[in-house]
Amino acid sequence: GQQLNQSPQSMFIQEGEDVSMNCTSSSIFNTWLWYKQEPGEGPVLLIALYKAGELTSNGRLTAQFGITRKDSFLNISASIPSDVGIYFCAGQKDSGGSNYKLTFGKGTLLTVNP
Amino acid sequence: DAGVIQSPRHEVTEMGQEVTLRCKPISGHDYLFWYRQTMMRGLELLIYFNNNVPIDDSGMPEDRFSAKMPNASFSTLKIQPSEPRDSAVYFCASSPYSGLEQFFGPGTRLTVL
Repeated sequence: GQQLNQSPQSMFIQEGEDVSMNCTSSSIFNTWLWYKQEPGEGPVLLIALYKAGELTSNGRLTAQFGITRKDSFLNISASIPSDVGIYFCAGQKDSGGSNYKLTFGKGTLLTVNP
Repeated sequence: DAGVIQSPRHEVTEMGQEVTLRCKPISGHDYLFWYRQTMMRGLELLIYFNNNVPIDDSGMPEDRFSAKMPNASFSTLKIQPSEPRDSAVYFCASSPYSGLEQFFGPGTRLTVL
């Protein structure tokens, strides 16, 4: 099946640093979403992107929908300890009756050292 | 407003037993999704419903798995008989009319011994 390649797999950074992670695919997606998951909880939606080239911010988070529609990027500025968690990208492909299937990346584990 | 509610949060059972996981979606959401999360395979969609009707169950692993949505506020995922390889965290998610933005519950951690 289709796969999303998410990188890096993990990151260890100091508080205050900026973070970048990305997600790529060999297939075109019509929607990109970014989720954060904390231990023992379900993924929480951070940002949704609907148009190629779209750049959207949510506080210190900024995400972009790649022009080719095969990739997306998430940046976190001035990281803080509560940013710790696993960040997942998810793509949605318009495929007739399966419009609402999300394909998830394997996640980026972010650790922030105070 | 309450988010997606799942029960139980943890389930430990023995191989061969029947397991039933429950989900209450966010009120007013038309779509309900069941996912399974494991270290090896990540998050996988099992099945989803629109207005209580199953739309796509191609992710259901095998006939031992079944899901129902008898009304707009309740869904179940049943495994019968359970096997150790079914051990995972099972998430329910719901979405408003578009189905695009999915809101996840806290999950049920299932351990089959």
